[in-house]
Amino acid sequence: EDKVVQSPLSLVVHEGDTVTLNCSYEVTNFRSLLWYKQEKKAPTFLFMLTSSGIEKKSGRLSSILDKKELFSILNITATQTGDSAVYLCAVWNNAGNMLTFGGGTRLMVKP
Amino acid sequence: ETGVTQSPTHLIKTRGQQVTLRCSSQSGHNTVSWYQQALGQGPQFIFQYYREEENGRGNFPPRFSGLQFPNYSSELNVNALELDDSALYLCASSSVNVMNTGELFFGEGSRLTVL
Repeated sequence: EDKVVQSPLSLVVHEGDTVTLNCSYEVTNFRSLLWYKQEKKAPTFLFMLTSSGIEKKSGRLSSILDKKELFSILNITATQTGDSAVYLCAVWNNAGNMLTFGGGTRLMVKP
Repeated sequence: ETGVTQSPTHLIKTRGQQVTLRCSSQSGHNTVSWYQQALGQGPQFIFQYYREEENGRGNFPPRFSGLQFPNYSSELNVNALELDDSALYLCASSSVNVMNTGELFFGEGSRLTVL
């Protein structure tokens, strides 16, 4: 059974801090790993990672995958209050019809 | 806005009742997936529909059933509701090549409370 574990469960930081969110996975026939941001209801897509060692970057957010050690990290630099959300990590199954999500990391950024 | 719309946004039912949730997929997307997200947890896959056929199912009992219509919209039906069915139900639409893009578009969800 595919498994995704995220840490920490929650995190409180102040504006301007840098945070690192962790995601480890166990999946049969890995295809890709995705990061989502969930502020209220609908998760919004951030990144998809398929290859080890290649950093994906979007503004202050970046992510990298290590397929040997089976984990990914999501970095957020110069955090803002608008970054407060639950960050979800997920992996596609081999058939490409199911995402297995981790439990999420709840990030709170204080002014 | 993802173009995926769900209804109703909130509803309250009692144990043993039945519920139908609806989802309209984004234009051009032929695949619809349903996920259940309990409070404080990540979404869990219920099932996926592609061209009106079920195309994969998660670990949910048969009282969770679905339909997809020719216009690619979809319904999730849950019979004999239990207290543990209280959750946010998310619909996601995608094109058949979603594996290449990673773009699974989620709706705002339907929050179901079972009393």
